[in-house]
Amino acid sequence: SAVISQKPSRDICQRGTSLTIQCQVDSQVTMMFWYRQQPGQSLTLIATANQGSEATYESGFVIDKFPISRPNLTFSTLTVSNMSPEDSSIYLCSAMTASTDTQYFGPGTRLTVL
Amino acid sequence: LAKTTQPISMDSYEGQEVNITCSHNNIATNDYITWYQQFPSQGPRFIIQGYKTKVTNEVASLFIPADRKSSTLSLPRVSLSDTAVYYCLVGDKRGTGKLIFGQGTTLQVKP
Repeated sequence: SAVISQKPSRDICQRGTSLTIQCQVDSQVTMMFWYRQQPGQSLTLIATANQGSEATYESGFVIDKFPISRPNLTFSTLTVSNMSPEDSSIYLCSAMTASTDTQYFGPGTRLTVL
Repeated sequence: LAKTTQPISMDSYEGQEVNITCSHNNIATNDYITWYQQFPSQGPRFIIQGYKTKVTNEVASLFIPADRKSSTLSLPRVSLSDTAVYYCLVGDKRGTGKLIFGQGTTLQVKP
């Protein structure tokens, strides 16, 4: 399996500011993804983080709002830009291991926007 | 991506076997079936993955009929700590790798 860490684990932010969430994997992975989970809801895929190129966004998510970087195979960041209270959610990253093609999830970052 | 349908909730008692069935009528040839468990305030935890027939690991079994249009996650002798949300997903892990989550099944294990 892969161990995935996220920073920060939680944050409280003011409206209009931005927050960058980091995701680090302890082993070689092929694909990395970012999800959002709103309170009491299931997970929604935001985008696939592509190494060295622009992320691939799902319908309803745009790069200006959720810029994503993946500078190497095991690290990615998600920025939530110009935040509003509607962005309050848990943000999770996941990664697919190169050895087993199994997708593992990080612990999540709980974001509260005031 | 194939859509999945699961019961919204299930109740069980400690020590019983729990079977959660998932329907995925539009599963594609290259799709695998994966089950995750999620506790409150935690990320989903991988349980088991399969393509066809039966897969068993130390925590669960996964039964997949020949037509692959459904699958059943079997949890033997559940305990209170198995109370969680269980998600069934299908996806081409060697293609886009994308997993689209449905609503999941909330399993409540009672003493």
